[in-house]
Amino acid sequence: AQTVTQSQPEMSVQEAETVTLSCTYDTSESDYYLFWYKQPPSRQMILVIRQEAYKQQNATENRFSVNFQKAAKSFSLKISDSQLGDAAMYFCASDRDDKIIFGKGTRLHILP
Amino acid sequence: GAVVSQHPSWVICKSGTSVKIECRSLDFQATTMFWYRQFPKQSLMLMATSNEGSKATYEQGVEKDKFLINHASLTLSTLTVTSAHPEDSSFYICRAAGGSNQPQHFGDGTRLSIL
Repeated sequence: AQTVTQSQPEMSVQEAETVTLSCTYDTSESDYYLFWYKQPPSRQMILVIRQEAYKQQNATENRFSVNFQKAAKSFSLKISDSQLGDAAMYFCASDRDDKIIFGKGTRLHILP
Repeated sequence: GAVVSQHPSWVICKSGTSVKIECRSLDFQATTMFWYRQFPKQSLMLMATSNEGSKATYEQGVEKDKFLINHASLTLSTLTVTSAHPEDSSFYICRAAGGSNQPQHFGDGTRLSIL
């Protein structure tokens, strides 16, 4: 079975500071995708960043970057220069046969 | 960009009513549709996967007779919650996929409240 674990139910960060959200996963697949999704209060699912497992280079999208450690099955998200609009639930997810399986989420609070 | 339209966004109905939720891919062909359910303060749980023209595949613990899924065309999938009860109240969200390396997009979700 494919599992995704987020061990931080909630985190807080001061505005303009940097925060890292943790995620570990388990899979028997050799090729797969990993994702971070943001879910604001509107409950819309917004793709933040995607990583292809066969690519060693860590994905980046503006202020968002990942630290992908394939051997350790770790996939953390770093948010730089945190902004008030970053406050949301963040879900780590992996792709299994096109099925996206989600972790339990981390609620991120931005402190002004 | 590609958009997935999900309707209704919010529905309130009486216990025993059947409710249909539609998910449409507007500018790409969705060969596969995924339906998720999210209870308050919980994660998204995959309920079922449907491929166009085929029967849906349900995840363990999901009643296929309760949650009817139809995927008759490459742009439309529907989820019908039959004889809904208060415990079915949840947020339902679809995800449309166009195949490997093709767009994958979520609908905006449907908040279902059963009185």
